[in-house]
Amino acid sequence: KNEVEQSPQNLTAQEEEFITINCSYSVGISALHWLQQHPGGGIVSLFMLSSGKKKHGRLIATINIQEKHSSLHITASHPRDSAVYICAVRPNGNEKLTFGTGTRLTIIP
Amino acid sequence: NAGVTQTPKFQVLKTGQSMTLQCAQDMNHNSMYWYRQDPGMGLRLIYYSASEGTTDKGEVPNGYNVSRLNKREFSLRLESAAPSQTSVYFCASRGPNQGSEKLFFGSGTQLSVL
Repeated sequence: KNEVEQSPQNLTAQEEEFITINCSYSVGISALHWLQQHPGGGIVSLFMLSSGKKKHGRLIATINIQEKHSSLHITASHPRDSAVYICAVRPNGNEKLTFGTGTRLTIIP
Repeated sequence: NAGVTQTPKFQVLKTGQSMTLQCAQDMNHNSMYWYRQDPGMGLRLIYYSASEGTTDKGEVPNGYNVSRLNKREFSLRLESAAPSQTSVYFCASRGPNQGSEKLFFGSGTQLSVL
């Protein structure tokens, strides 16, 4: 069982819909990262969370340390948001990161 | 521009050939990583380096070697390429410090071993 589980694996939605992607992990962590990877493209960091909530434009990321769960929300989704979204955690006292397998998001115009 | 520079972008090797993937960052980060990405498996750590001159194995180190001769550069070498090493490789760095860390990735290397 992977230490980091993402859901759903695939998500297709209409433009303007509110999107939620979930990430659950099983160990104590120092940091959780949300990453975005466009088809055939590189990987871009969206957020780093160690507690609470962060917002950047239409993207919102939250984390609940006690429940070992994080969510990435996209408001007013747009076709350019179509990408794979990856959750990664850095366990306490560890240099290494553990990655989820990603959520493939497709936004239909 | 600040970031992670990774070369080459594409490479085709024959089984048994060797090559080195180069990675450099100009953000003065201590931590650098090499990952491979295979369909349906997510990013898997090959090797990482917590600081200049130190390296440690990740999940899938067999068939690879790394070198961190200075703070900027972290190279990955395949001494004798095998078809199982066909993958997309990413270099990454993490910084600036634990309180406000961020991950930066290179643009990736698509490697095919025939």
